[in-house]
Amino acid sequence: GAVVSQHPSRVICKSGTSVKIECRSLDFQATTMFWYRQFPKQSLMLMATSNEGSKATYEQGVEKDKFLINHASLTLSTLTVTSAHPEDSSFYICSASDQGAEAFFGQGTRLTVV
Amino acid sequence: SQQGEEDPQALSIQEGENATMNCSYKTSINNLQWYRQNSGRGLVHLILIRSNEREKHSGRLRVTLDTSKKSSSLLITASRAADTASYFCATATNSGYSTLTFGKGTMLLVSP
Repeated sequence: GAVVSQHPSRVICKSGTSVKIECRSLDFQATTMFWYRQFPKQSLMLMATSNEGSKATYEQGVEKDKFLINHASLTLSTLTVTSAHPEDSSFYICSASDQGAEAFFGQGTRLTVV
Repeated sequence: SQQGEEDPQALSIQEGENATMNCSYKTSINNLQWYRQNSGRGLVHLILIRSNEREKHSGRLRVTLDTSKKSSSLLITASRAADTASYFCATATNSGYSTLTFGKGTMLLVSP
């Protein structure tokens, strides 16, 4: 299967700071990327869908000004958690798809806000 | 919004036994997929079954799909300790495979 690389795998940041998570498709063009969040012992919840060159579509209840998504190229999407707070601590996972085909997942990023 | 509901939430078995996990969903689907997640790690895609398929096999995995009951089951035969993980079903409702809605998952513990 295709490879999606997510970086960093773990990050600890201070409350009030911003942190950026990268999601790269290594061997295919990702026209669409998805960002999920997973709290401990819970399932994955879709946060937003981004298409290359367009604004992201956010799921209900997800603050677009807090979770900034940029999908400026066909191989890279970034999620920036702005003014992070302890309640933003979670596992964030991206997936990437080429024109609606099967989506491939990154390895996930464990964010801890202290 | 959450669509899939897995059952049971947790399952504990001995090595060599079979493990069966069930998933129910609410709306019409294009396909249903099963994933495995080891603690704190990313997702591993296990199997995809399309809405016009009823059963699919992959190694020790057997997946069934009953669209009339909006349910699916994942059977792992001859389980191993390495099968210990959380298992999620995910449904795709559009014409592609990319937009997924995940169930709550089943935590499987296989003891040696």
